[in-house]
Amino acid sequence: AQSVTQPDIHITVSEGASLELRCNYSYGATPYLFWYVQSPGQGLQLLLKYFSGDTLVQGIKGFEAEFKRSQSSFNLRKPSVHWSDAAEYFCAVSGGSYIPTFGRGTSLIVHP
Amino acid sequence: EAGVAQSPRYKIIEKRQSVAFWCNPISGHATLYWYQQILGQGPKLLIQFQNNGVVDDSQLPKDRFSAERLKGVDSTLKIQPAKLEDSAVYLCASSLRSGGSGANVLTFGAGSRLTVL
Repeated sequence: AQSVTQPDIHITVSEGASLELRCNYSYGATPYLFWYVQSPGQGLQLLLKYFSGDTLVQGIKGFEAEFKRSQSSFNLRKPSVHWSDAAEYFCAVSGGSYIPTFGRGTSLIVHP
Repeated sequence: EAGVAQSPRYKIIEKRQSVAFWCNPISGHATLYWYQQILGQGPKLLIQFQNNGVVDDSQLPKDRFSAERLKGVDSTLKIQPAKLEDSAVYLCASSLRSGGSGANVLTFGAGSRLTVL
């Protein structure tokens, strides 16, 4: 069975600072990996995905993530955070069933 | 293109009452998903449809939850009777098809928030 661990429930950063959100997955083969963002009262929006190829993937809104097979990780990064990035971030993994399994999410708080 | 439409956005009911949620996926998307998102948790899959057939409903509490997707387009999720622990946001999502590279990118609706008193 596939699973995702997001170890940080909350992350607080100052506006303009860099950001890294952690994600570890469990799956026996090469997974499909995703990061979604959820603003209050909204559905989930896809930030980026990894299917194969280059392990560093670029997404929308200046986000990127790196797939590290040896560490079973897919951490999300952004070099400079904006106040509008405050939201809930979900990592997800899908494998043979192609049905994404989500982590519990990390809440990003941005201080001015 | 129009997104995934869901209604109602909010619903408050008493326990043991019934409720129904409606979802209209993106046009042409063959696969439709219902997820339950309890406060402070990630979305959990309830059921997946491929066209009008059920692919996976292993986590759907079938004693009280039911879902259908008539004609392979719109879908309805029903809860009867509701329990306090059903308070959650019910998210509908759709994708082009199930399986294959690029095929399981989900587009989500805004969700239906259910409060059971």
